[in-house]
Parts: sequence; C-alpha cells; structure tokens
Amino acid sequence: SQKIEQNSEALNIQEGKTATLTCNYTNYSPAYLQWYRQDPGRGPVFLLLIRENEKEKRKERLKVTFDTTLKQSLFHITASQPADSATYLCALVGYNTDKLIFGTGTRLQVFP
Amino acid sequence: DTEVTQTPKHLVMGMTNKKSLKCEQHMGHRAMYWYKQKAKKPPELMFVYSYEKLSINESVPSRFSPECPNSSLLNLHLHALQPEDSALYLCASSHSGTSPYEQYFGPGTRLTVT
Repeated sequence: SQKIEQNSEALNIQEGKTATLTCNYTNYSPAYLQWYRQDPGRGPVFLLLIRENEKEKRKERLKVTFDTTLKQSLFHITASQPADSATYLCALVGYNTDKLIFGTGTRLQVFP
Repeated sequence: DTEVTQTPKHLVMGMTNKKSLKCEQHMGHRAMYWYKQKAKKPPELMFVYSYEKLSINESVPSRFSPECPNSSLLNLHLHALQPEDSALYLCASSHSGTSPYEQYFGPGTRLTVT
C-alpha cells in the first residue's frame, strides 16, 4: 500500500540554522509533490509545489528538492526563525487526479 | 478573496443528532474537498467534488453525507455519529483538472461527539 513518511515527528533547531525536513514515499509514482505548513487548530497553508521532472524549487527562505529515484523530497528552511515553528506536511498527487495524500508531518520547533 | 470559510467553528453533538457543516469559497475553484484530521495526524481525504459532482469518496461511512449545492458551497451532513468521529473537519478548494494546483484550506470545524 502507499506510504508517505516524514523523517521525524519533531525537529528542534536553533534560530538562524537551516532546518531540513524529509519526506519519503513508497508504492507511489507522484506527478508532483507539495509542502504545506499547519499551525495548531488551523488548516494547512500551501508553501511550495514541485513537479516530478523538477529537481529543485526555491521561494524566499524555502527550498524543496525532489528525487524520484530515491523517492524522496527534502524541504529546507534557511535562517530559521521562531515564527517558522509549525507542523510541516508533504503531500503527493498522482496523475489526472485531484487527490492529495499527506505525509505523517514533522513538528518543527525553532528556539531563540 | 483567497479565503475558504467554514461554519461552525466548534460543534458538540450527541450520537442521535443531525447536524451540518458548511464550507464556502469565492475563488472560482471547481474542486472542493472534505478532510478529517485527528490530533497529531495528517488530514485524511473523505470526499472530492469536481464541477459539483462527487468524484472521489474514500469509503466514508454513510453517516457522513456530502452535498455540493453550487460551485461555491460544500456541506457535510452528519447523522448518528460515533465518539470516534470526533475530529477537526477541514474543507479545501482548488482549481480542478490535470494541472497541479495547490489547495486552499479553511480553518476547520472542531467536532465533538458525545
């Protein structure tokens, strides 16, 4: 069955460092992959999208890589700030479908 | 307006009650979604409506009944729920089709079944 795992349930880093979150998947061939941020008691907010034929995408302090051979995406937040503290979710989408399948999520805590 | 609104914010209902959750968007999106999210878990897809037609039903129990009256509105009718149905119910919308569109989520309805 399809499985999407994010490297750790929680990640604590110091302000100013780069946070790296991992998303691994099995038994799936996604057309593209998305990353969302979710704050407690709120709905997820879209951050970045990367297609299967793209290696890397950037947006301000965010960078996403996508390796379909390794079946893995890495999500980086550079110069992290306490305001970046949230749960980050990767989500995969197959071909010709609106269906989004979410990973298990990583709770990031950035401390001063 | 890039907002998805959901009402009510909180709902407490007994197992014999009938209630409805409402969702609205005015972004011209033609795909709308219901998700269920339990604490410390990712959202799980329940239903997808594409152009006001139900396109995906993830084998959800019949005590949950979705309805899409028009392209801006999505309802979820609840009847005879169980305590394990207590969760955050999220609505989302997106452009529909084969291109990769991000989903816009509402703030959710926190449902407690007693």
